Amino acid sequence: RKEVEQDPGPFNVPEGATVAFNCTYSNSASQSFFWYRQDCRKEPKLLMSVYSSGNEDGRFTAQLNRASQYISLLIRDSKLSDSATYLCVVKEAGTALIFGKGTTLSVSS
Amino acid sequence: DVKVTQSSRYLVKRTGEKVFLECVQDMDHENMFWYRQDPGLGLRLIYFSYDVKMKEKGDIPEGYSVSREKKERFSLILESASTNQTSMYLCASSPATGNTEAFFGQGTRLTVV
Repeated sequence: RKEVEQDPGPFNVPEGATVAFNCTYSNSASQSFFWYRQDCRKEPKLLMSVYSSGNEDGRFTAQLNRASQYISLLIRDSKLSDSATYLCVVKEAGTALIFGKGTTLSVSS
Repeated sequence: DVKVTQSSRYLVKRTGEKVFLECVQDMDHENMFWYRQDPGLGLRLIYFSYDVKMKEKGDIPEGYSVSREKKERFSLILESASTNQTSMYLCASSPATGNTEAFFGQGTRLTVV
C-alpha cells in the first residue's frame, strides 16, 4: 500500500523559532511532491511544491531526497499565523494525490 | 480566480438514505477527486475521475459510487448512508498533466444519524 508518513506532532513553538517537519513516502516511482497547509475547519491549500534541487519561498524551505524517499519543510522565524496543520503530499503519474496525515504546528507569543 | 464549489457546507441525513454530494469546478480540469477526512486518519481517497464518464476506485470506495457526466461536475453518491460515513468530504480538481497542485472545495461536513 502506498503511504506517506509524517510525525503528527503537535509541535508547539514560540514566535521566532525555526521548526522542521519531515515526511517519508513508500513509492519510489512518485513524481511530484507538495506541502499543503490546512487551517482549522478549512480546506487544504497548496503551500509550496517541492523540487529535486530544493526550493525556498520566503521563510519556507522545502527539500527532497529521492534516494531516501524523504521530504522536509523548514519554517524560519515562525509567526502566530503559521499555526496550522501541514500536509505532505505525493503524486505518481496518472494517480491522485496521496496525503500524509498531517503535522500540527502551534506557534505561541 | 480558480474555484471548486461543493453544493453543501453542512448536511444531516438519516441512516439508509441515498445521499448526493455535488462538486463543480470552473477551471476546465480533467481530474477530479473525492476524499474524506477523519481525525487521526487524514485525507483518504474515495474515488477519482480523469475524464468524463471515467472513474477509478481510491483507497476506500466501499459504500460509495460516483458520477461524472460533464467535465465540470463530479458527484459522490452514498447508496445507503450509514453512521460510519459521518465525515468531512472534500472534492478537488487538477489538470491532467504537469507537476500541478490540486484545488479543493470548501468541504461538506456530513452527519448521518
